[in-house]
Parts: sequence; C-alpha cells; structure tokens
Amino acid sequence: GAVVSQHPSWVICKSGTSVKIECRSLDFQATTMFWYRQFPKQSLMLMATSNEGSKATYEQGVEKDKFLINHASLTLSTLTVTSAHPEDSSFYICSATSGVIRTQYFGPGTRLLVL
Amino acid sequence: QKEVEQDPGPLSVPEGAIVSLNCTYSNSAFQYFMWYRQYSRKGPELLMYTYSSGNKEDGRFTAQVDKSSKYISLFIRDSQPSDSATYLCAMNSGGSNYKLTFGKGTLLTVNP
Repeated sequence: GAVVSQHPSWVICKSGTSVKIECRSLDFQATTMFWYRQFPKQSLMLMATSNEGSKATYEQGVEKDKFLINHASLTLSTLTVTSAHPEDSSFYICSATSGVIRTQYFGPGTRLLVL
Repeated sequence: QKEVEQDPGPLSVPEGAIVSLNCTYSNSAFQYFMWYRQYSRKGPELLMYTYSSGNKEDGRFTAQVDKSSKYISLFIRDSQPSDSATYLCAMNSGGSNYKLTFGKGTLLTVNP
C-alpha cells in the first residue's frame, strides 16, 4: 500500500520550453502533496505544499510563476517548470500524505535535464 | 543550531555488521519520527515510523526514540550490500502541518 508514482522518470528538454511532471497516489487519497528538488549529494529541498482544490504554498525563495503546481484531485498533482533553463536541471521528487498517519510517501523522482 | 543534525558519513561497514545511524534534534515539539532509505537516483522509501519515545522493530531494522535526550537511532542488524544507500531521518510535530524536517542523510556502504 501507499504507492506514489511519477511521470516521466526522465525528461530532456531545450532551454525555454515548459515541462510538466505528474505525481499520482495509486492506492490512497492524498490530502496533501509535496514537491521537492534534490541536487547531487544534497538533501531534499521542499519547494511547495499543495492541498487538493487549494493554491499551493511555496517555500521562501521558490518562484511560484516558474514552478506551477496544480492539485486537481485527491490522487493527482502536477508540477510545471515554465521556461526551463539549465539551472533548473535537477531531480524532482513528489510525496503524498493520506492524513491517516503522519508521514509522507515518496514517488520515484523525475530527472530533468535542460539543454 | 540546526533543527536536525545527522552525521553525513560516509559510513563503510563489512557485510554482517550491525549498523547504528543517529540523529539529534532541538525542537521538543517533534513527536513523529521516521527513517527513510534512498538509493542513488531514486525517491526516499519509508523504512520506519515511530510516534513518541520507545523502540520499534521490523525485521533487521530497529528504530529507537529518546525524547528526553532528543536523540533517535536506527539499527540495522546483519547488514547486507543491498542496504548500501543514504539514510534520512525525518520528524514532524503533529497538528495540521504534515511538513517533515529532514536530517542531511548518512551515506552507508556495506562491503561484501
């Protein structure tokens, strides 16, 4: 139980294009979803928290117009990196919580490379 | 002082060894404690989840929480090469906030 999927697992795009990453909770309803990014050999950095049907709450320093988050249903959240640039290249990981126990279940991650 | 301190290692042990991983924290409001395992280029995987002080065992893994000392541990018995990964401690204070505060992670290598 408590499986979270992400799609795509790998994406390469040209600078200036937008990229959408999907995060799905497969066997539970996710009241809250989180988006992280992780640089090599560094810990997870929380970008934003989203609740179904509400606007996402972004962490300090994260550009909300650049990283658009939509949490349209209790099983799906999307992160769109708009006008991606090489410095946006990173490992993006989502997580979800069911609210039943106080922990987060993580997706497998999406590796983004912007050329 | 950081909210959660975790020795980044790296830690290298022979196969079969007992591994001890630790975190200390400063926020006495933390009540929920987790250990995650993260393989290279993968998302973190929940290993252990504990509420308040005490021990919890699951197979070769034992999690300990000592709230009086603000200290949590993860023990791995009979370590295997497949245990080689980064181990992250995480914690939460409860209430309506589900955000986790993470340690920086300890890189563990188990040598065959």
